[in-house]
Amino acid sequence: EVKLVESGGGLVQPGRSLKLSCAASGFSFNDYWMGWVRQAPGKGLEWIGEINQDSSTINYTPSLKDKFTISRDNAQNTLYLQMSKLGSEDTAIYYCAREDLNYGSLFDYWGQGVMVTVSS
Amino acid sequence: DIVLTQSPALAVSLGQRATISCKTNQNVDYYGNSYMHWYQQKPGQQPKLLIYLASNLASGIPARFSGRGSGTDFTLTIDPVEADDTATYYCQQSRNLPWTFGGGTKLELK
Repeated sequence: EVKLVESGGGLVQPGRSLKLSCAASGFSFNDYWMGWVRQAPGKGLEWIGEINQDSSTINYTPSLKDKFTISRDNAQNTLYLQMSKLGSEDTAIYYCAREDLNYGSLFDYWGQGVMVTVSS
Repeated sequence: DIVLTQSPALAVSLGQRATISCKTNQNVDYYGNSYMHWYQQKPGQQPKLLIYLASNLASGIPARFSGRGSGTDFTLTIDPVEADDTATYYCQQSRNLPWTFGGGTKLELK
């Protein structure tokens, strides 16, 4: 069974940094692109970025490129999202998702999400 | 960026057909495929893939769900609607980076 479990969320002060993790199991992690998607309270889905199998290609949505860094550790089957200079606009549920590029970069499995609240 | 536009809400009766639309400001077709996908998100849950490449049913999704469209106009149809289908439905394009989602359509029962 494919399982994605995010962790590392919580309350953080504006301007600070936070690193999220996503532990993957039930599939061959190093065979897949992985991505992050977020959802502000009561809002829609926003794609953050993606990383390929060997971390040689990382793509971001332009507005977040200078604040967020995606990485992965294939030995630990873990995906990461390093977030810096956080503001209230970054308050959201953060989902990690497995990407299937066979059918054009769709997200076929999602974690349950982790809440990040940016507030003083 | 490719912008995807969905109606915010739709109300249908149990057993009737629901048609949810998604319009893009750029063509998302490429070499015979439409790079449009649909997700269902129930309250408090993560999104779930329903349809990929515009018209292909994802694994485990009941045949009540179907998708069609090409170019810039796409629809997700649920027929017949069941009570469990109350959710928000999102379209997503993967034709051009950055991948983008529609704003979502909340399906409610009359």
